[in-house]
Formats: sequence, structure tokens, C-alpha cells
Amino acid sequence: GESVGLHLPTLSVQEGDNSIINCAYSNSASDYFIWYKQESGKGPQFIIDIRSNMDKRQGQRVTVLLNKTVKHLSLQIAATQPGDSAVYFCAENIHPGGSYIPTFGRGTSLIVHP
Amino acid sequence: EPEVTQTPSHQVTQMGQEVILRCVPISNHLYFYWYRQILGQKVEFLVSFYNNEISEKSEIFDDQFSVERPDGSNFTLKIRSTKLEDSAMYFCASSESAPGNTIYFGEGSWLTVV
Repeated sequence: GESVGLHLPTLSVQEGDNSIINCAYSNSASDYFIWYKQESGKGPQFIIDIRSNMDKRQGQRVTVLLNKTVKHLSLQIAATQPGDSAVYFCAENIHPGGSYIPTFGRGTSLIVHP
Repeated sequence: EPEVTQTPSHQVTQMGQEVILRCVPISNHLYFYWYRQILGQKVEFLVSFYNNEISEKSEIFDDQFSVERPDGSNFTLKIRSTKLEDSAMYFCASSESAPGNTIYFGEGSWLTVV
């Protein structure tokens, strides 16, 4: 079954609001997580990452929270802008045979209304 | 900023034909990947490549697929006999030497099999 999943396929917000995108993972061996942004017709673009020895990491307008107890990951986007409209994927790095292979979840579509 | 480049951006091919998708990874990266994304679905791992050999591959990467690094800059994905269900966006990606480093994606090659 799918080890990485997203709770909401579509999230609509108003410009200026904060957005929270959630992700659940089931592989307790995963030790590295990445959020990617994918705009229409483009490849996934790295946003922010977090290792399992951390529970929070902040970037520019984005924060990733990791709750290992419930195997939950979230991406918070502050002051969401129309340019943030995209599909957001969380990916976990697992260790099949010792190599790091990012495994993607289904994605959440973020729609920002001006 | 260094980026992964892919060619062609779009290819239409007849079922049963061979297709080669080309990629130029970021120059100082040593790990290379191919992913695919069927329209509207999640990004799926196909294969990873390091030190001139496949390090990991998924169930999708069957005998009709092959990868090659023919020279010091290119990384190719060959689909030997295309099927309708091979229609997808194919993403090349690369990462630096240490496993677990961020993977950077190209813009993708859209393959349509008719």
C-alpha cells in the first residue's frame, strides 16, 4: 500500500492567509522528508526538507513540522500568495537496500484566490 | 543556478516504437534518477543510477526500460517497445554524492504513445 499520503487533495485559501498542507507517512524507518512544489507543466521543485532528528524547520515563509509519534508531516505557508498556487507533494526517503529513494505522496492542490 | 535539463520536452510516438529520453544532470552531481508521472497521478520512482550502474529500480522499471550514461554529461532513459500506458511525463533528477541529499528535478519530457 501507499506509505505516504495526503489528507486533502485540494486546499483553497485567500491571498494573505496562512496555508497548512498535511501529509501522513507509515514507514517508521523513514528519516528524511522533503516537500516539493509542482507548478503546472513543470518538474517538482524543492521547497524545504527535514530530518527525523528534528521536529521543526523554517525557511522563507515556509515551515515544516514533523511529528514522529503519529507519523505526520505538515507544510505551513505564511501569507500565501497567488504564486504559491501549485500541487504540493511530500516525499519520504526510505532505505530499500540501503539507498535513499524519495517516495512521493499523492499531492495536494493549493489554490490561492486573490 | 545549475539545473537539470531534459530533451525532448514533448514526444509523440507510435506504439511499439523505441524512445530515448535525454537528460543532462547538474554537473557536480553523482546520483541520477528517472521518475514518471501519469497525468493527474503522483510522481513515481523508476530507477536510480550511481557509479555507472543501477542502484535501485522499481517494479515499473521492467525489461523494456534501460538507462545509460553514454558520456560524461548525458543520462538517458530508453523505452524499447512503447505501450499506450507508457504515456506520461518523465522526470530526470540528480543529487550530490551523499545519499539523502536533495534531489533536483528537470522540467520533464512529456511522452505520448499513440
